[in-house]
Amino acid sequence: AQKITQTQPGMFVQEKEAVTLDCTYDTSDQSYGLFWYKQPSSGEMIFLIYQGSYDEQNATEGRYSLNFQKARKSANLVISASQLGDSAMYFCAMREDQTGANNLFFGTGTRLTVIP
Amino acid sequence: DAGVTQSPTHLIKTRGQQVTLRCSPISGHKSVSWYQQVLGQGPQFIFQYYEKEERGRGNFPDRFSARQFPNYSSELNVNALLLGDSALYLCASSQIAGVGETQYFGPGTRLLVL
Repeated sequence: AQKITQTQPGMFVQEKEAVTLDCTYDTSDQSYGLFWYKQPSSGEMIFLIYQGSYDEQNATEGRYSLNFQKARKSANLVISASQLGDSAMYFCAMREDQTGANNLFFGTGTRLTVIP
Repeated sequence: DAGVTQSPTHLIKTRGQQVTLRCSPISGHKSVSWYQQVLGQGPQFIFQYYEKEERGRGNFPDRFSARQFPNYSSELNVNALLLGDSALYLCASSQIAGVGETQYFGPGTRLLVL
């Protein structure tokens, strides 16, 4: 089974509007971390936001917030007040503590296009 | 502070050749991980090194190897290149290797195998 599922290959949003990018995950581990990265066409993965499995409050970083629903195993990214520079690929990723390693499992990504 | 740096930025090789990719982590970071990103997919974990020791290995053949140096920089080697090795190779660094540690990625090396 896929550890990270992103069901939206592409999303469009009007400039200044909010958008939600979906992410569901699959793990039997109790301790894990969830991450969102942005990848512009240049290729570099830019860290956006992190949520730990034991964190009770949803993470926020500026215009980014993570809607963490543990029972549903979802970790959706909300971008508020979209800007043209937000157009990029967005990847959800998870790391499980049980592996002992630092490896991230990534989804297939969502391409976000911000329309002026 | 400088971010994660990788070299070269682009590389063209032919089948059967060998390639070495290099990565310098953020200053103070002791863990380096390597990922392969094939076009249209998310990155896949190849290796993690922490304090010069291998901490994890993904599902990649033995043609892939890596090492970490005393200054925490790292090299990824791929032998007997196949067409399917064409990808963006990303290096990521973190301070330690804990579950809550954020990995910061470099710009990647684009490898094309002809």
